[in-house]
Amino acid sequence: GAVVSQHPSRVICKSGTSVKIECRSLDFQATTMFWYRQFPKQSLMLMATSNEGSKATYEQGVEKDKFLINHASLTLSTLTVTSAHPEDSSFYICSGWDNSNYGYTFGSGTRLTVV
Amino acid sequence: GENVEQHPSTLSVQEGDSAVIKCTYSDSASNYFPWYKQELGKRPQLIIDIRSNVGEKKDQRIAVTLNKTAKHFSLHITETQPEDSAVYFCAASPAAGNKLTFGGGTRVLVKP
Repeated sequence: GAVVSQHPSRVICKSGTSVKIECRSLDFQATTMFWYRQFPKQSLMLMATSNEGSKATYEQGVEKDKFLINHASLTLSTLTVTSAHPEDSSFYICSGWDNSNYGYTFGSGTRLTVV
Repeated sequence: GENVEQHPSTLSVQEGDSAVIKCTYSDSASNYFPWYKQELGKRPQLIIDIRSNVGEKKDQRIAVTLNKTAKHFSLHITETQPEDSAVYFCAASPAAGNKLTFGGGTRVLVKP
């Protein structure tokens, strides 16, 4: 089946630094990638929708200058958390739509801890 | 925008019993309703989905029902097993491939 490879799986960074998370669709072309954030014991909250070759669409309340999304190719989307703070510590997960298998494929998630 | 409410937030059942989780949604334009199972620290796994032109769908021990008029849908797990213990999320979307809005999740514990 379709696979989205997400890296890194875990990252610890210092407050004020930036972290990049990558999601690659390995056997399908993800024209659209969805980025979610999940705090402990909570649901997945959509942060933004990225479309290959165009600007991402951010959900209300999500700072686009803080969470930079790039979707430069049909197989790669990245999320950069800039000037990270402890409150950005969360589980970040991407999801691509696989049109051939008619389903969403989730990455394995990135556990970000900002110290 | 869409709002999805999910109940209960926790559910404890005895092995072999049935579990039912209910969700309501607000946007009548929603047409695609998947259910996901998520284990701690892992990615959500699709267990079943239903589209608005179908009222019920079943896959072995798992079934989903949809009432578009009332804007609610439910997940039914029969003959529960300890490995069914996980967090379950319902979701809604205007169409498959569009953004998903998730419910708050239900933590299911199946006691052996």
